[in-house]
Amino acid sequence: QSALTQPASLSGSPGQSITISCTGTSSDVTGHNYVSWYQQHPGKAPKLIIYDVSNRPSGISNRFSGSKSDNTASLTISGLQAEDEADYYCSSYTMSSTRPWAFGGGTRLTVL
Amino acid sequence: QVQLVESGGNVVQPGRSLRLSCAASGFTFSSYAMHWVRQAPGKGLEWVALISFDGSNKFYADSVKGRFTISRDNSRNTLYLQMNSLISEDTAVYFCARANNYGTCLAFWGRGTLVTVSS
Repeated sequence: QSALTQPASLSGSPGQSITISCTGTSSDVTGHNYVSWYQQHPGKAPKLIIYDVSNRPSGISNRFSGSKSDNTASLTISGLQAEDEADYYCSSYTMSSTRPWAFGGGTRLTVL
Repeated sequence: QVQLVESGGNVVQPGRSLRLSCAASGFTFSSYAMHWVRQAPGKGLEWVALISFDGSNKFYADSVKGRFTISRDNSRNTLYLQMNSLISEDTAVYFCARANNYGTCLAFWGRGTLVTVSS
Protein backbone atom coordinates (compact mmCIF):
# COMPACT_ATOMS: atom_id res chain seq x y z
CA GLN A 1 0.00 0.00 0.00
CA SER A 2 1.44 3.33 -1.12
CA ALA A 3 2.07 6.06 1.42
CA LEU A 4 0.68 8.67 -0.96
CA THR A 5 -2.79 8.32 -2.50
CA GLN A 6 -3.49 9.08 -6.16
CA PRO A 7 -6.51 8.29 -8.33
CA ALA A 8 -5.86 5.11 -10.31
CA SER A 9 -6.96 6.60 -13.61
CA LEU A 10 -8.10 9.80 -15.28
CA SER A 11 -9.02 10.74 -18.81
CA GLY A 12 -9.40 13.90 -20.83
CA SER A 13 -9.82 15.10 -24.37
CA PRO A 14 -7.15 16.93 -26.38
CA GLY A 15 -7.01 20.58 -25.40
CA GLN A 16 -8.62 20.06 -22.01
CA SER A 17 -6.98 20.47 -18.62
CA ILE A 18 -6.80 17.75 -16.01
CA THR A 19 -5.58 17.67 -12.42
CA ILE A 20 -4.08 14.68 -10.64
CA SER A 21 -4.19 14.75 -6.86
CA CYS A 22 -1.72 13.24 -4.40
CA THR A 23 -2.85 12.99 -0.81
CA GLY A 24 -0.40 12.44 2.00
CA THR A 25 0.01 13.09 5.70
CA SER A 26 1.74 15.47 8.07
CA SER A 27 4.86 13.29 7.75
CA ASP A 28 5.25 13.90 4.06
CA VAL A 29 3.19 16.20 1.82
CA THR A 30 1.97 18.52 4.56
CA GLY A 31 5.26 18.95 6.34
CA HIS A 32 7.46 20.46 3.64
CA ASN A 33 7.69 21.43 -0.04
CA TYR A 34 9.62 18.45 -1.39
CA VAL A 35 6.90 16.94 -3.56
CA SER A 36 7.87 15.85 -7.06
CA TRP A 37 6.03 14.39 -10.05
CA TYR A 38 7.22 11.87 -12.64
CA GLN A 39 5.88 10.90 -16.05
CA GLN A 40 6.37 7.35 -17.31
CA HIS A 41 5.49 6.11 -20.76
CA PRO A 42 5.09 2.33 -21.21
CA GLY A 43 8.40 0.52 -21.16
CA LYS A 44 10.35 3.69 -20.43
CA ALA A 45 12.11 5.13 -17.42
CA PRO A 46 10.29 7.71 -15.28
CA LYS A 47 11.02 11.34 -16.07
CA LEU A 48 10.97 14.21 -13.59
CA ILE A 49 8.42 16.87 -14.60
CA ILE A 50 7.84 18.83 -11.37
CA TYR A 51 10.01 19.21 -8.27
CA ASP A 52 9.66 21.07 -4.98
CA VAL A 53 5.88 21.23 -5.47
CA SER A 54 5.79 23.63 -8.42
CA ASN A 55 9.17 23.90 -10.17
CA ARG A 56 9.72 22.62 -13.69
CA PRO A 57 13.10 21.21 -14.76
CA SER A 58 14.68 22.66 -17.85
CA GLY A 59 12.98 21.41 -21.00
CA ILE A 60 9.63 20.55 -19.42
CA SER A 61 6.63 22.19 -21.05
CA ASN A 62 4.86 24.96 -19.15
CA ARG A 63 1.65 22.99 -19.74
CA PHE A 64 2.69 21.08 -16.63
CA SER A 65 2.21 22.82 -13.30
CA GLY A 66 2.18 21.79 -9.65
CA SER A 67 0.65 23.07 -6.45
CA LYS A 68 -0.06 22.02 -2.89
CA SER A 69 -2.73 22.71 -0.30
CA ASP A 70 -2.48 21.21 3.17
CA ASN A 71 -2.00 17.45 2.72
CA THR A 72 -2.76 17.32 -1.01
CA ALA A 73 -0.39 18.05 -3.86
CA SER A 74 -1.69 18.44 -7.40
CA LEU A 75 -0.34 18.16 -10.93
CA THR A 76 -2.23 20.04 -13.61
CA ILE A 77 -1.73 19.38 -17.30
CA SER A 78 -3.26 22.03 -19.53
CA GLY A 79 -3.90 21.80 -23.26
CA LEU A 80 -3.83 17.99 -23.19
CA GLN A 81 -1.96 16.36 -26.05
CA ALA A 82 -1.87 12.76 -27.21
CA GLU A 83 1.75 12.49 -26.04
CA ASP A 84 0.66 13.22 -22.47
CA GLU A 85 -0.95 9.77 -22.26
CA ALA A 86 1.23 8.07 -19.64
CA ASP A 87 1.46 7.06 -16.01
CA TYR A 88 2.09 9.84 -13.48
CA TYR A 89 3.58 9.37 -10.03
CA CYS A 90 3.89 11.78 -7.16
CA SER A 91 6.69 11.39 -4.67
CA SER A 92 7.62 13.01 -1.42
CA TYR A 93 10.44 13.21 1.02
CA THR A 94 9.11 12.00 4.35
CA MET A 95 10.20 12.99 7.81
CA SER A 96 10.73 9.37 8.77
CA SER A 97 14.32 8.73 9.72
CA THR A 98 14.01 5.14 8.57
CA ARG A 99 12.10 5.60 5.32
CA PRO A 100 12.86 9.01 3.88
CA TRP A 101 11.10 8.61 0.54
CA ALA A 102 7.66 7.55 -0.72
CA PHE A 103 5.81 7.26 -4.02
CA GLY A 104 2.14 7.44 -4.82
CA GLY A 105 0.44 4.48 -6.46
CA GLY A 106 0.39 6.17 -9.85
CA THR A 107 -2.32 7.57 -12.12
CA ARG A 108 -2.92 6.28 -15.63
CA LEU A 109 -3.85 9.23 -17.84
CA THR A 110 -5.77 8.46 -21.02
CA VAL A 111 -6.15 11.09 -23.73
CA LEU A 112 -9.43 10.32 -25.46
CA GLN B 1 24.77 14.75 -20.40
CA VAL B 2 23.81 12.68 -17.38
CA GLN B 3 23.81 8.95 -18.07
CA LEU B 4 22.92 6.14 -15.73
CA VAL B 5 23.22 2.57 -16.95
CA GLU B 6 22.06 -0.31 -14.80
CA SER B 7 23.31 -3.86 -15.20
CA GLY B 8 23.31 -7.17 -13.38
CA GLY B 9 19.66 -8.12 -13.71
CA ASN B 10 19.00 -11.82 -14.22
CA VAL B 11 16.76 -14.76 -13.43
CA VAL B 12 17.61 -16.08 -9.98
CA GLN B 13 16.14 -18.71 -7.67
CA PRO B 14 14.45 -17.77 -4.39
CA GLY B 15 16.92 -17.45 -1.55
CA ARG B 16 19.84 -16.62 -3.80
CA SER B 17 21.76 -13.37 -4.16
CA LEU B 18 22.35 -10.85 -6.93
CA ARG B 19 24.29 -7.62 -7.23
CA LEU B 20 23.12 -4.78 -9.42
CA SER B 21 25.39 -2.02 -10.71
CA CYS B 22 24.67 1.47 -11.99
CA ALA B 23 27.40 3.16 -14.02
CA ALA B 24 27.20 6.94 -13.91
CA SER B 25 28.66 9.48 -16.31
CA GLY B 26 28.20 13.10 -17.37
CA PHE B 27 28.30 14.54 -13.86
CA THR B 28 30.41 14.55 -10.69
CA PHE B 29 29.13 11.30 -9.21
CA SER B 30 30.69 11.88 -5.79
CA SER B 31 28.60 15.03 -5.27
CA TYR B 32 25.13 13.48 -5.43
CA ALA B 33 22.92 11.21 -3.39
CA MET B 34 21.65 8.19 -5.30
CA HIS B 35 18.52 6.06 -5.14
CA TRP B 36 17.31 2.64 -6.20
CA VAL B 37 13.65 2.39 -7.19
CA ARG B 38 11.88 -0.72 -8.44
CA GLN B 39 8.76 -1.51 -10.42
CA ALA B 40 7.13 -4.93 -10.32
CA PRO B 41 5.49 -6.06 -13.58
CA GLY B 42 2.35 -4.01 -14.18
CA LYS B 43 2.72 -2.19 -10.87
CA GLY B 44 3.76 1.25 -9.65
CA LEU B 45 7.08 2.62 -8.52
CA GLU B 46 8.47 1.53 -5.16
CA TRP B 47 11.33 3.36 -3.52
CA VAL B 48 14.00 0.87 -2.38
CA ALA B 49 17.07 2.59 -1.01
CA LEU B 50 19.02 5.85 -0.75
CA ILE B 51 22.69 6.54 -0.19
CA SER B 52 24.27 9.89 0.58
CA PHE B 53 26.90 11.43 -1.69
CA ASP B 54 29.77 10.05 0.38
CA GLY B 55 28.16 6.76 1.36
CA SER B 56 27.99 7.64 5.04
CA ASN B 57 24.19 7.49 5.26
CA LYS B 58 21.98 4.73 3.91
CA PHE B 59 18.22 4.23 4.10
CA TYR B 60 16.00 1.32 3.07
CA ALA B 61 12.37 0.50 2.47
CA ASP B 62 10.95 -1.82 5.11
CA SER B 63 10.36 -4.47 2.43
CA VAL B 64 14.10 -4.89 1.77
CA LYS B 65 15.67 -3.88 5.07
CA GLY B 66 18.12 -6.51 6.31
CA ARG B 67 18.28 -8.20 2.90
CA PHE B 68 19.50 -5.47 0.52
CA THR B 69 22.58 -3.26 0.84
CA ILE B 70 23.17 -0.09 -1.13
CA SER B 71 26.75 1.05 -1.66
CA ARG B 72 28.83 3.17 -3.97
CA ASP B 73 32.36 3.43 -5.29
CA ASN B 74 33.01 7.08 -6.06
CA SER B 75 36.37 6.25 -7.63
CA ARG B 76 34.56 4.07 -10.19
CA ASN B 77 31.45 6.28 -10.54
CA THR B 78 29.33 3.26 -9.76
CA LEU B 79 26.34 2.58 -7.52
CA TYR B 80 25.52 -0.93 -6.29
CA LEU B 81 22.64 -2.85 -4.83
CA GLN B 82 23.48 -6.15 -3.17
CA MET B 83 20.34 -8.24 -2.92
CA ASN B 84 20.34 -11.29 -0.65
CA SER B 85 17.66 -13.81 0.33
CA LEU B 86 15.65 -12.92 -2.73
CA ILE B 87 11.94 -13.69 -2.79
CA SER B 88 9.40 -13.71 -5.60
CA GLU B 89 8.11 -10.30 -4.52
CA ASP B 90 11.51 -8.83 -5.45
CA THR B 91 10.79 -9.50 -9.12
CA ALA B 92 10.88 -6.09 -10.76
CA VAL B 93 12.71 -3.67 -13.00
CA TYR B 94 15.26 -1.88 -10.85
CA PHE B 95 16.08 1.74 -11.67
CA CYS B 96 18.91 3.81 -10.31
CA ALA B 97 18.30 7.54 -10.03
CA ARG B 98 20.35 10.58 -9.18
CA ALA B 99 19.08 13.15 -6.72
CA ASN B 100 19.03 16.83 -7.58
CA ASN B 101 21.47 19.30 -6.00
CA TYR B 102 19.48 19.55 -2.78
CA GLY B 103 18.33 15.94 -2.58
CA THR B 104 14.68 16.89 -2.90
CA CYS B 105 13.79 14.80 -5.94
CA LEU B 106 15.02 12.06 -8.28
CA ALA B 107 16.26 14.21 -11.13
CA PHE B 108 17.70 11.64 -13.56
CA TRP B 109 16.88 7.99 -14.07
CA GLY B 110 18.48 5.04 -15.79
CA ARG B 111 16.56 2.67 -18.07
CA GLY B 112 16.45 -0.11 -15.51
CA THR B 113 17.49 -3.75 -15.26
CA LEU B 114 15.10 -6.68 -14.83
CA VAL B 115 15.39 -9.04 -11.89
CA THR B 116 13.24 -12.15 -11.96
CA VAL B 117 13.08 -14.36 -8.89
CA SER B 118 11.72 -17.74 -9.84
CA SER B 119 12.42 -21.40 -9.26
